[in-house]
This record gives sequence, structure tokens and C-alpha cells, in this order.
Amino acid sequence: QVQLVESGGGVVQPGRSLRVSCEASGFTFSTYAMHWVRQAPGKGLEWVAAIWYDGSDKYYSDSVKGRFSISRDNPKNILYLQMDTLRAEDTAIYYCARGTLDVETPAATSFDSWGQGTLVTVSS
Amino acid sequence: DVVMTQSPLSLPVTLGQPASISCRSSQSLLHSDGNTYLSWFHQRPGQSPRRLIYKVSKRDSGVPDRISGSGSGTDFTLKISRVEAEDVGVYYCMQSTHWPTWMFGQGTRVEIK
Repeated sequence: QVQLVESGGGVVQPGRSLRVSCEASGFTFSTYAMHWVRQAPGKGLEWVAAIWYDGSDKYYSDSVKGRFSISRDNPKNILYLQMDTLRAEDTAIYYCARGTLDVETPAATSFDSWGQGTLVTVSS
Repeated sequence: DVVMTQSPLSLPVTLGQPASISCRSSQSLLHSDGNTYLSWFHQRPGQSPRRLIYKVSKRDSGVPDRISGSGSGTDFTLKISRVEAEDVGVYYCMQSTHWPTWMFGQGTRVEIK
């Protein structure tokens, strides 16, 4: 079955960097777009970033554009989110979620599988 | 960007009674391919979100048939015909028609009276 396991969260000071990872199994990782979605404490869900199945296209929310970078290692089945110049408002649980197959329109994205999340706390 | 607005934000319900959550989008979610890409998710306390419904009304495997989705254009509804204890938590709608921004509603908290 599909499994997504995030790691790399922790406490980091404002202005510093952190990289979180998501290890995928149970499906052909290299044929799916992948996304990061976050949830601040007690708040709702916020889409953060997306990467196409082959890494050819990447998209970011306005709140992280220019500071975060999404990437993937298809042979290792791992998704990454590099977070630079972190701010207190980036404090959240970061989930990876599966997107669409390479042959589908990105509009069909419906996040059918989610990881358990990794908590990132930005605090001095 | 498309704005997704859910109501109510809090929904106290009695076990065995129906519940209904509304989700409205600021633009039509009808895609040029004829599909409408609106999904619903359920998040229990301390858990990850789980997809319940996609393309407005298609139920995921394992989702009981007392949970249903409907709607078109800009107005959508998630209905639970008879609420059970396992239904508590927060429900989110999400649009994906207008990518590359995937927008969620604010969430509706369902609790048992």
C-alpha cells in the first residue's frame, strides 16, 4: 500500500534553514507529482509546493516563494523541501501528499495519500 | 486566486442525525475537460487528513455511503446522512481546477452534542 513517511522536522531559529524529507513506498514514485501541505498549530491546511513527476516543473505558494525549494530523488523515492530564511509563521506540521499521475491533468490533483507529517518549529 | 469558503465553521450534531457542510468557490470549478475538481477531506484529532470525496461526488474506497458529495459550478455540499462518533473532526474542501494554486477551505469542525 502507499506509504509516505516524513522526517527532518525540529526546532530552528528564525532566519535559519532546515530540510525536511518524505520517503515514498508502495507505488511508482517517479510517475507521480508530489506536494507539500502544511498546517500551523490549531489552523487549517495550506498548500505549500508542488513538483512534477520528473522534476521538470515546480510551483510554490506566495507565502514561501523565494525561500523554499522543492526537489525529488526518483531513484531513491524521496521528496524534499528545503526551507531557508525561516520565519515564526512557518511553524507548522509539514505533510507530503501524492499528486497526479504523469498522464493526468494537474487539475485532477486530489491528494489521495498523505504522510503522518513532521513538525517544524521556528523559534529563538 | 480562487477563494474557498466553508460554512458553518463549527457544527454540533446529535448522533444519528444528518449533517451538512457547504463549500463555495469564488470562481466556477468546471474544468475545460468537463470535470469539476472539488475534493473533501476529513481530519480526526491528531491525525493526517484523509481524502473522502474527489471530483465532487466520487467516494473513496472505505468511505461509508452515508457520506456523500454533491454540487456544481461554485456551490458544493458534503452530507452525512446519520452522524456516527467516528465522524468527529474537521472537514476541508479543496479545489484543484485552477492550478497551480491548490486552495483549501477554512475547515468545518464537527462535534457531537
